[in-house]
Amino acid sequence: AQSVTQLGSHVSVSEGALVLLRCNYSSSVPPYLFWYVQYPNQGLQLLLKYTTGATLVKGINGFEAEFKKSETSFHLTKPSAHMSDAAEYFCAVSYSGNTPLVFGKGTRLSVIA
Amino acid sequence: GAGVSQSPSNKVTEKGKDVELRCDPISGHTALYWYRQSLGQGLEFLIYFQGNSAPDKSGLPSDRFSAERTGGSVSTLTIQRTQQEDSAVYLCASSPVYQNTEAFFGQGTRLTVV
Repeated sequence: AQSVTQLGSHVSVSEGALVLLRCNYSSSVPPYLFWYVQYPNQGLQLLLKYTTGATLVKGINGFEAEFKKSETSFHLTKPSAHMSDAAEYFCAVSYSGNTPLVFGKGTRLSVIA
Repeated sequence: GAGVSQSPSNKVTEKGKDVELRCDPISGHTALYWYRQSLGQGLEFLIYFQGNSAPDKSGLPSDRFSAERTGGSVSTLTIQRTQQEDSAVYLCASSPVYQNTEAFFGQGTRLTVV
């Protein structure tokens, strides 16, 4: 069965500091991996996705993630945090494009001025 | 439409009442998904549709929950005899089934059972 583990329910960083949100997955077949962001009282918005090809994926708002098969990880990073990055971030996995995404429990990112 | 639309955006209901939540997916998207988001629990998969059929109903929490989709478009999630533990945000998403792509989410319906 597929599952997603996000380490840390809450991460706090200073403005301008590196953002690192961790995601590990379990999947018996090659996964499709996604990061979504949810701003308060809004739905989820796709940040980036990995399906095939290059393992370093660039997304919107300066975020990127690297698929590491050997570590079964898909950590999300951003070199310099901005106040507007404060939100809830969800990692998700699927083993095909048409099956339901399995989500992690989310990580709330706070950015301190 | 331009995006996934859900209605109502907020619903307060009394324990024991039935509620219907509506989802209008992006035009042309054949796959539709329902998730439940509870505080601290992440997103819990409920059910998905390919066209009008639901291949996977395993996520529905109990027989009080049901969902249908008509005309390959609008979907309704019905909760009968609501309980306080049903209080959550119910999110709908859609995706084009022929592509390996992401799901597009609506803004959700916040259900409060009092």
